[in-house]
Amino acid sequence: ELKVEQNPLFLSMQEGKNYTIYCNYSTTSDRLYWYRQDPGKSLESLFVLLSNGAVKQEGRLMASLDTKARLSTLHITAAVHDLSATYFCAVDALKTSYDKVIFGPGTSLSVIP
Amino acid sequence: NAGVTQTPKFRILKIGQSMTLQCTQDMNHNYMYWYRQDPGMGLKLIYYSVGAGITDKGEVPNGYNVSRSTTEDFPLRLELAAPSQTSVYFCASKRGQTYSGNTIYFGEGSWLTVV
Repeated sequence: ELKVEQNPLFLSMQEGKNYTIYCNYSTTSDRLYWYRQDPGKSLESLFVLLSNGAVKQEGRLMASLDTKARLSTLHITAAVHDLSATYFCAVDALKTSYDKVIFGPGTSLSVIP
Repeated sequence: NAGVTQTPKFRILKIGQSMTLQCTQDMNHNYMYWYRQDPGMGLKLIYYSVGAGITDKGEVPNGYNVSRSTTEDFPLRLELAAPSQTSVYFCASKRGQTYSGNTIYFGEGSWLTVV
């Protein structure tokens, strides 16, 4: 059974600082998603990572995937208040040809001025 | 471009009642998912479907049923509602296997309270 963990679960950081959110998963997979969720809202897609060593960047966010370590990171550079949200990673649990996508518990990020 | 549409947005149910959450997508996506999100928690997969006529259980299927008679629609049925089913329900879809690089598109959510 695929398990997805995130660290930390809660993160309070000052504006301008850098930080990394970690996503670990328990079974072999090379398909990983990152999403953002604002309070009371739906989920917004940030990145789709499709292979070992994949790196994607958008603005102050950069995501990477290490399938051998079963680890993805979401790096935040020079945080700003607008990045305050909950961030989820999700992993494909491949079952024959089907894609069962399992989410992590989320990291609640608060950026303080 | 409507994307993934869920109805109703809000609903209050009494214990023991039944209801159906509707989900439809206009993107011709094969894969559709139902998740629930309890307050302050992550998303738990209830059921998913890889095409019309094909469904499978997720992490928390008990108390729910689904059907997929068309590509567009993936309704979620709650039988004998219980307070533990109070949650926000999200429907989602994607075009094909993740190999193709497609992301998952989410609906706006349905807030359900069982009293």
